[in-house]
Amino acid sequence: KQEVTQIPAALSVPEGENLVLNCSFTDSAIYNLQWFRQDPGKGLTSLLLIQSSQREQTSGRLNASLDKSSGRSTLYIAASQPGDSATYLCAAPLGGSEKLVFGKGTKLTVNP
Amino acid sequence: DAGVTQSPTHLIKTRGQQVTLRCSPKSGHDTVSWYQQALGQGPQFIFQYYEEEERQRGNFPDRFSGHQFPNYSSELNVNALLLGDSALYLCASSQPVRALNEQFFGPGTRLTVL
Repeated sequence: KQEVTQIPAALSVPEGENLVLNCSFTDSAIYNLQWFRQDPGKGLTSLLLIQSSQREQTSGRLNASLDKSSGRSTLYIAASQPGDSATYLCAAPLGGSEKLVFGKGTKLTVNP
Repeated sequence: DAGVTQSPTHLIKTRGQQVTLRCSPKSGHDTVSWYQQALGQGPQFIFQYYEEEERQRGNFPDRFSGHQFPNYSSELNVNALLLGDSALYLCASSQPVRALNEQFFGPGTRLTVL
């Protein structure tokens, strides 16, 4: 079964801390991976998309890496702020399909 | 650019009823996908439409059906609603360029089945 797993399910950190969110997937042949942010009751905001030919992608304080051989991706958030509090989801098109398979997300709380 | 839009925002129905949700894709996008997100879970793929045809389908019963119009907008129809259909329904649009396939999501429609 093609799966995406995110660890931890929840994370609480003090403001200013650097943190890493983890995502693992079962298909080493993926052609891209996306990280999303979701605020409570809202839709998904695309943060970063990493193509299979890339190893990293950066946007502001966010940096995402992709290691297809180990089936892992990480989202690094530098100097976290209370406004970063949200659920972060990773998703990839597994099994040669275009449909995205999502993890359950990591709920991040940044405390002032 | 208005991004992906969905209507309505919220909807309350009773068991057995039918519902239609609507989605307009991001400008320049011609592929629309629908996802169901239960509380505390990641979104689950329902189906994808391209050139007015259902191109892929996830593990959802035939009660879930859809349509894509010539202007690329799309509808999701759910018949014979069950309590378990209560969820956030998300629409995503993309361009069918395999190497990118970046999907952009709308704000969702919250469906409550009583």
